[in-house]
Amino acid sequence: QVQLVQSGAEVKKPGSSVKVSCKASGDTFSSYVFTWVRQGPGQRLEWMGGIVPAFGTADYAQKYQGRVTINADDSTGTVYLQLRSLRPEDTAVYYCTRGLGATLYYFDYWGQGTLVTVSS
Amino acid sequence: DIQMTQSPSSVSASVGDSVTITCRASQDIRSWLAWYQQKPGKAPKLLIYAASTLQSGVPSRFSGSGSGTDFTLTISSLQPEDFATYYCQQANSFPYIFGQGTKLEI
Repeated sequence: QVQLVQSGAEVKKPGSSVKVSCKASGDTFSSYVFTWVRQGPGQRLEWMGGIVPAFGTADYAQKYQGRVTINADDSTGTVYLQLRSLRPEDTAVYYCTRGLGATLYYFDYWGQGTLVTVSS
Repeated sequence: DIQMTQSPSSVSASVGDSVTITCRASQDIRSWLAWYQQKPGKAPKLLIYAASTLQSGVPSRFSGSGSGTDFTLTISSLQPEDFATYYCQQANSFPYIFGQGTKLEI
């Protein structure tokens, strides 16, 4: 059974950075795309970027270019999201997701979500 | 970016009813569309992908159709557990935009 287990809630100051982890278990890690989707309070789901561990390089939504880094550690089956220069509007639940394949961006598994609160 | 617009934003229905939600893409996405169900405080759940393929374990009362720019999700014979928010998502090209959601209420 595939599971994505994310790190715990974070409270950050504006201008700081946050790093959220997502540990995958139960299936082959490297050959799927893993992505990050966030949801602000009462907002729609928003795709941020993703990585296929076997390929190594990440793709990012233009909105986050320069502020976000997604990487993966094959040895531990963990994917990471780092978001820098945090703003109050980055307050959201951040979800790790897995795609149906390396190039299939249909998200069949989701982590439990990590609440990131940005407040002074 | 491809924009995804759902309608209606909310809909009221009763147990046993049938409901249809529509999703329109701002450009042709062929059949690269998914539907998700989200309940309060929970992660979304994949219901349908490739516009009409039912994800494993999803009840057959859920069905999807459409291609190009216009898509529908139909839920027949609504059950109490179906009251949730539904999102469409285009998987044709990144960024993989979601619709704004449709809240299905009793």
